[in-house]
Amino acid sequence: DTGVSQDPRHKITKRGQNVTFRCDPISEHNRLYWYRQTLGQGPEFLTYFQNEAQLEKSRLLSDRFSAERPKGSFSTLEIQRTEQGDSAMYLCASSLTGASPLHFGNGTRLTVT
Amino acid sequence: GQQLNQSPQSMFIQEGEDVSMNCTSSSIFNTWLWYKQDPGEGPVLLIALYKAGELTSNGRLTAQFGITRKDSFLNISASIPSDVGIYFCAGPPTSYNAGNMLTFGGGTRLMVKP
Repeated sequence: DTGVSQDPRHKITKRGQNVTFRCDPISEHNRLYWYRQTLGQGPEFLTYFQNEAQLEKSRLLSDRFSAERPKGSFSTLEIQRTEQGDSAMYLCASSLTGASPLHFGNGTRLTVT
Repeated sequence: GQQLNQSPQSMFIQEGEDVSMNCTSSSIFNTWLWYKQDPGEGPVLLIALYKAGELTSNGRLTAQFGITRKDSFLNISASIPSDVGIYFCAGPPTSYNAGNMLTFGGGTRLMVKP
């Protein structure tokens, strides 16, 4: 069990640029989740996948955000035309089923200048 | 949507003291989860509660699922410096089978003075 891996750990970008983050879940986990955490707050659910199917999206996920999990393994989260309000920690998590414990990665911290 | 309110927002205690924090909601939860987050890391699950009235321990940590299903408590006994971090309560919405689409509280930041 190597845990959930996220890359990069930190990303600084200028407003208006596109960014993409990667998440590698625990290998046998079917479910993969993206959360966003702003400073001083708890994580907020963004979206989740069961295998390669994206089954739920939060209303927080504006049309500038897109997530994929093409082969049911790793996932990418892309933010287009970044805004300063996108600055946050983006956390990926995985679980074996919807009822089993959620394992979080250490996140990608995005700073939009 | 459902919201979770945690109190206190922060605590600064002496090593060896016991700690108590709670989490309340205006709506019912069927599952209560307690996570700890260290700086620069993702949250780690400490305790999961699935039944109203349930009392569960994990080492020095004890958590309870409130009878009303609208609150939960986490106690840490004999605190040590490595207990420092942010403690979050969380739970899935009850409106449908939401699995791990969790709502998190705002966290309680714990600081321990050696």
